[in-house]
Amino acid sequence: DAGITQSPRHKVTETGTPVTLRCHQTENHRYMYWYRQDPGHGLRLIHYSYGVKDTDKGEVSDGYSVSRSKTEDFLLTLESATSSQTSVYFCAISGDRDTQYFGPGTRLTVL
Amino acid sequence: GQSLEQPSEVTAVEGAIVQINCTYQTSGFYGLSWYQQHDGGAPTFLSYNALDGLEETGRFSSFLSRSDSYGYLLLQELQMKDSASYFCAVFAGSARQLTFGSGTQLTVLP
Repeated sequence: DAGITQSPRHKVTETGTPVTLRCHQTENHRYMYWYRQDPGHGLRLIHYSYGVKDTDKGEVSDGYSVSRSKTEDFLLTLESATSSQTSVYFCAISGDRDTQYFGPGTRLTVL
Repeated sequence: GQSLEQPSEVTAVEGAIVQINCTYQTSGFYGLSWYQQHDGGAPTFLSYNALDGLEETGRFSSFLSRSDSYGYLLLQELQMKDSASYFCAVFAGSARQLTFGSGTQLTVLP
């Protein structure tokens, strides 16, 4: 299995509070991704990174920001959480983009 | 943008063969992937087809027809542990990203 971890694994927070999710990899892969998964939808891309300090928006980026200061870490921040951001968040890594390896996920509940 | 269609649910019995279809509309197509996800788990990579034809990996096979914008995942000798959601995903576009379908829930009955 690819060495990829996410923290925290579960979080409950209140509307309006900032939240940061962390993705950590030990594979030295160039590409890292944040997805959200909701019932009835597949995985939807939030943001991705193609190198240190190189990031770009995905399909559902509104309300989210990311940072990548080291190859191994990719942070997802919800500046002011809303109930619509209640979801399961998956981080993924890739060496060649066409094959992605997913972390265990973070279940976020915004009350 | 990209769009994908796959059935929402499929049911089959242990030992049977099941085919999960995926049709897509996209620009800048590079390939079609399949991922498996068990309840509460993370998606895991199953296969990637960049060229037309059938690729076999054990009990699982994946097929692609680029001219028909169509692919399928074939699962043989179904086992109870194959009960999961299966997602097709296109690798496409100038940014070369994966776009996922909504998933097919496969239930394997004894």
